[in-house]
Amino acid sequence: DTGVSQDPRHKITKRGQNVTFRCDPISEHNRLYWYRQTLGQGPEFLTYFQNEAQLEKSRLLSDRFSAERPKGSFSTLEIQRTEQGDSAMYLCASSLVSGEGTQYFGPGTRLLVL
Amino acid sequence: GDSVTQMEGPVTLSEEAFLTINCTYTATGYPSLFWYVQYPGEGLQLLLKATKADDKGSNKGFEATYRKETTSFHLEKGSVQVSDSAVYFCALRNNAGNMLTFGGGTRLMVKP
Repeated sequence: DTGVSQDPRHKITKRGQNVTFRCDPISEHNRLYWYRQTLGQGPEFLTYFQNEAQLEKSRLLSDRFSAERPKGSFSTLEIQRTEQGDSAMYLCASSLVSGEGTQYFGPGTRLLVL
Repeated sequence: GDSVTQMEGPVTLSEEAFLTINCTYTATGYPSLFWYVQYPGEGLQLLLKATKADDKGSNKGFEATYRKETTSFHLEKGSVQVSDSAVYFCALRNNAGNMLTFGGGTRLMVKP
């Protein structure tokens, strides 16, 4: 069990550019979640997948954001036409469907939009 | 909607002091409750959890009891160490959904 991994750990981009983040969940976990955490705040839910199906999206997830989990394993989160307000830590978590469904978090990708 | 309120920090304590971080929640139904900890430069780690009323979660000397009557899940530790310095997040998961709703976090600083 290697835990949840995220890549890259840090990303600096210019306003208007597109960025893509990757999350690899714990191998047997079939649920995968994305959260966003701004400085000094708690994480906020963005979206989650069960296997390859995207089952829920927060109203925080604007049209510029898209997430995929094509084979039910890793997931990508893309932000198009980045804005300075997108600067945040993007967290990925995974869990099992069965049992208590405790979510385990990755280290996050810190995005800075200049 | 669901919400979690935590006491604002930072909380500054001397080593071996008693710790309480207050957490109250608003939710429909019977949520599961969690405390996560974020050490400097690291990701969120699950500290403890409770899934029903009157359950007590415990780990590494930390405890929290699920109090339905006061909608609270206060975190306590009898004797803090410098290594406990971190940001602590209270969270809930409503049984009708799957996402976690977090409080704003409380920074704990323990001085030797």
